[in-house]
Parts: sequence; C-alpha cells; structure tokens
Amino acid sequence: DGGITQSPKYLFRKEGQNVTLSCEQNLNHDAMYWYRQDPGQGLRLIYYSQIVNDFQKGDIAEGYSVSREKKESFPLTVTSAQKNPTAFYLCASSIGEHYEQYFGPGTRLTVT
Amino acid sequence: GESVGLHLPTLSVQEGDNSIINCAYSNSASDYFIWYKQESGKGPQFIIDIRSNMDKRQGQRVTVLLNKTVKHLSLQIAATQPGDSAVYFCAEASTSGTYKYIFGTGTRLKVLA
Repeated sequence: DGGITQSPKYLFRKEGQNVTLSCEQNLNHDAMYWYRQDPGQGLRLIYYSQIVNDFQKGDIAEGYSVSREKKESFPLTVTSAQKNPTAFYLCASSIGEHYEQYFGPGTRLTVT
Repeated sequence: GESVGLHLPTLSVQEGDNSIINCAYSNSASDYFIWYKQESGKGPQFIIDIRSNMDKRQGQRVTVLLNKTVKHLSLQIAATQPGDSAVYFCAEASTSGTYKYIFGTGTRLKVLA
C-alpha cells in the first residue's frame, strides 16, 4: 500500500522550542517537498529536494531546516527562529520535477 | 477543525448537477497544470492534470479545460455528489524553467442534497 505518511497529525509546542515533522514515502519518488498552508492562501514552498543528499530553499525557508539522508524520508525542523510557526504543514513527493505531486495527510502545528 | 479555506469563494450546486470551477493562472510561461481536491483536515488529492499541448482532458467524471489565450483553467465535475464537497485548487508550473509550482487559493464546493 504505497503513499506518503506524515506524523504526528497534531503537534503542540511552546514558543522557543524546535520541533521536527516527519515525512516518509514508499512511492520510490526522487523529489520531495514541504509546503505550508495558511487560511486564505495558496500553498507556499518551504524546501524541496530532487535527490538524496541535496535540497534547495523554497520561497519561505527562513526559520526552517531539512535533511534528505534517505530517499524515502524528508523531515522538516521548525526552529525557534520561525516567527509564525503555527500552520498546517504538507509534505509531497513526485517522480521528478514537473510531474504531479502527491501529498501526505498533513501535520497541524500549534505553537503557543 | 481545519481552518484552511476561510473566506474562499464558494460554489453551491445541487446533487446531480454539473459543477464548473474556474482558475485564472498567472504565468504565461506555465505549461503544466494540476487540479487538486482538499477535504477538511486532509492533504490535497490529485484529480487531473493537463499540459499546454492540450485544450481538454477527461477523467472519470471530471474534465479539465485549458484556454491559454486568456490564461484560464476550469474543472468540470459531472453529476456532482455529496462526496465532491471540498476545496478545489489549481497549480501551475513552467517545465522549461527551474522548479516552481504556483498554487491557487481555491474554491469551496458545497453539494446540496
């Protein structure tokens, strides 16, 4: 049963703490992406990776970090430097650039 | 609950009617387009895609139309069902440039019984 999993579904943290969101895919996709979704806005790209051990900043990378040590995993760390971290975070993957992206179920992060 | 979708344009249709959801895309260089469906609290689900060498593409109960002249994309859903209720948004990309998808904010579809 192939797909993308994100965990946890809901995450609560205190301000000033770093938190890592998990994203795993068993679709054998090369490319993986992290987006942030806020009410009334389109998805905004945080980071993307087209191949293992390589990743690039998206439009809103400040305050976030990623790693891509394995093809199937692309964790996102929301650092204390991110000024407004409360949001719905979506991970996606695709066979390659310019192919349809398949999304995970999302993680809702609330920082208080 | 899921707060994504607040203040989105809403399309209300009767169950069994056809739905048409529109999207104006922004980049004249975009040549690849995708429609996604997002239910409350869930990740977006791929519906259908189309490349710029086509004007129309059909799937199961869905049709996407592309008008490059006016940079307009539409999604038609035939015989709309209650399970079609969701937020629908389009995405565009230029395959000749560096990676970049631009996502629309979406339209909420409400199916009335």
